[in-house]
Amino acid sequence: GESVGLHLPTLSVQEGDNSIINCAYSNSASDYFIWYKQESGKGPQFIIDIRSNMDKRQGQRVTVLLNKTVKHLSLQIAATQPGDSAVYFCAERDSNYQLIWGAGTKLIIKP
Amino acid sequence: DAGITQSPRHKVTETGTPVTLRCHQTENHRYMYWYRQDPGHGLRLIHYSYGVKDTDKGEVSDGYSVSRSKTEDFLLTLESATSSQTSVYFCAITREVGNTIYFGEGSWLTVV
Repeated sequence: GESVGLHLPTLSVQEGDNSIINCAYSNSASDYFIWYKQESGKGPQFIIDIRSNMDKRQGQRVTVLLNKTVKHLSLQIAATQPGDSAVYFCAERDSNYQLIWGAGTKLIIKP
Repeated sequence: DAGITQSPRHKVTETGTPVTLRCHQTENHRYMYWYRQDPGHGLRLIHYSYGVKDTDKGEVSDGYSVSRSKTEDFLLTLESATSSQTSVYFCAITREVGNTIYFGEGSWLTVV
């Protein structure tokens, strides 16, 4: 497979530390947000979602936070592992029910 | 993999030749999508389908056509491939529009 993002923002995190990946969204009318993980050579995989009537949602080792005031979304990964290395995308659902994708952030895990 | 199969997974073709990529799903989902992914551009929607024989254009539809004759199959055709269409193509499906969508593993297309 090929790298999907040669000029992506990159976050380097020590193995075992927590990772925080940020995303600014554009549309204040967006009501649904999703995080995806994409490993090299694979398709994006759903991680977690959140609706606009919530501020926080937790999954297994992941937490999504939504700040509607500043139109900001973040993905927190607890105790980062080598298998978390990937490109992470956020997506927002607009008023036309279409998904608008962010450019992605590359997460690198340092041993 | 959410029951999505893309074929071919890798293809090299010459400029000006027609190319068809196939997406097959076993989930009976109504909505199917074709995206392309390029460095610096993220995921961009090419075409989507909201039912058999019902399709619509996405943001980068020029040079592409699609067909959906069965619920389970969504075909993407490049009538005359150009080098700018070298990309990774992802098929995706969802039960309802705007909900979580599930992606296939991708088709790597190189136009030389």
